[in-house]
Amino acid sequence: EPEVTQTPSHQVTQMGQEVILRCVPISNHLYFYWYRQILGQKVEFLVSFYNNEISEKSEIFDDQFSVERPDGSNFTLKIRSTKLEDSAMYFCAGGGRGTGELFFGEGSRLTVL
Amino acid sequence: RKEVEQDPGPFNVPEGATVAFNCTYSNSASQSFFWYRQDCRKEPKLLMSVYSSGNEDGRFTAQLNRASQYISLLIRDSKLSDSATYLCVVKGFQKLVFGTGTRLLVSP
Repeated sequence: EPEVTQTPSHQVTQMGQEVILRCVPISNHLYFYWYRQILGQKVEFLVSFYNNEISEKSEIFDDQFSVERPDGSNFTLKIRSTKLEDSAMYFCAGGGRGTGELFFGEGSRLTVL
Repeated sequence: RKEVEQDPGPFNVPEGATVAFNCTYSNSASQSFFWYRQDCRKEPKLLMSVYSSGNEDGRFTAQLNRASQYISLLIRDSKLSDSATYLCVVKGFQKLVFGTGTRLLVSP
């Protein structure tokens, strides 16, 4: 069964450092998302990506965040200068047209010290 | 008002019990509705979609009331393996909006 894969599974970084989280979505999906979940809190939408551009983003997704899908497979989330409050589990997700179901990766846990 | 509101629980029930979760949403333009399940420190996974006519999948029954902006999930004959957090999820144009989740603990 195809699945969404994310790397790294866990990254520890110092405040102010750049972090890139990577995702390989399911190949026939058209819509791609990043969500995050701070420990003990709800799953929060960050950004959606369709047709090689951002289609929607939340207030959380400020200038420190960027996404790209440079080679048609990998979908990355970059945090330019991490803050303590960026510590969370980051989930990549993908979906097809006409269905509301999203398939999530296992997540990348980011710890900012 | 929160976009999607759920009772966080936990709901502690014995095996075999019937348990019901409720959820309300604020955006009347929401298009699709779902229940996802999330195990501890794992990714959310789709449990079932929710339709106005109500739908059933084995021991799980979901219901949507658009007029009241209310969604429910009923679990019959609870199993130990049902212990998880149940996320009420509402879809707008593209993105899914998650509730905080309701934690269920099923005990022997």
